[in-house]
Amino acid sequence: GAGVSQSPRYKVAKRGQDVALRCDPISGHVSLFWYQQALGQGPEFLTYFQNEAQLDKSGLPSDRFFAERPEGSVSTLKIQRTQQEDSAVYLCASSLEGRDEQYFGPGTRLTVT
Amino acid sequence: AQKVTQAQTEISVVEKEDVTLDCVYETRDTTYYLFWYKQPPSGELVFLIRRNSFDEQNEISGRYSWNFQKSTSSFNFTITASQVVDSAVYFCALSVLTQGGSEKLVFGKGTKLTVNP
Repeated sequence: GAGVSQSPRYKVAKRGQDVALRCDPISGHVSLFWYQQALGQGPEFLTYFQNEAQLDKSGLPSDRFFAERPEGSVSTLKIQRTQQEDSAVYLCASSLEGRDEQYFGPGTRLTVT
Repeated sequence: AQKVTQAQTEISVVEKEDVTLDCVYETRDTTYYLFWYKQPPSGELVFLIRRNSFDEQNEISGRYSWNFQKSTSSFNFTITASQVVDSAVYFCALSVLTQGGSEKLVFGKGTKLTVNP
């Protein structure tokens, strides 16, 4: 079946604009994760969903970041009033359940100018 | 602290050489999982292996092999007879349980491997 897909693949936003990043996980995967990857660094955890429940949002860097997964499948990561430090690749991953291996999407590269 | 250290930032080898990527981890959990992912220039993270902390058997998959040693908290990755297509950034990661039953992956900073023809 299809892997994890993300859209858009690239996004350029002017500082202060709001952006919405979409993730379509693998069908049937219960767990969904968002990570942020700065240039030259490893991915860093942002938030985790089990079905529609957001069980952990401890990695969200500020209250400008908001994520949802209302029907337990597609997820959206929203960043309000973008800042230059938000420039990064945003990766979505899904896993069947529990501590199974996570499968990653291609990421959305966000550039804030 | 729960962390992963990949001390080698960049490695460059000539095709057909063997190469080992080091990974050292710290965790307070008694049960945990370790992972290796490959990130080619295209950017997508590709899952390579998951290892349970109770299973210390070494694993081999084709030209890839992994050496898990709990005593030294290491989970090293060896590529035998490297090929140009192996050029990528390789990440080691640790699965960390958090309160509420959630989990996350804690990644190292990655090792950039360049295989030259």
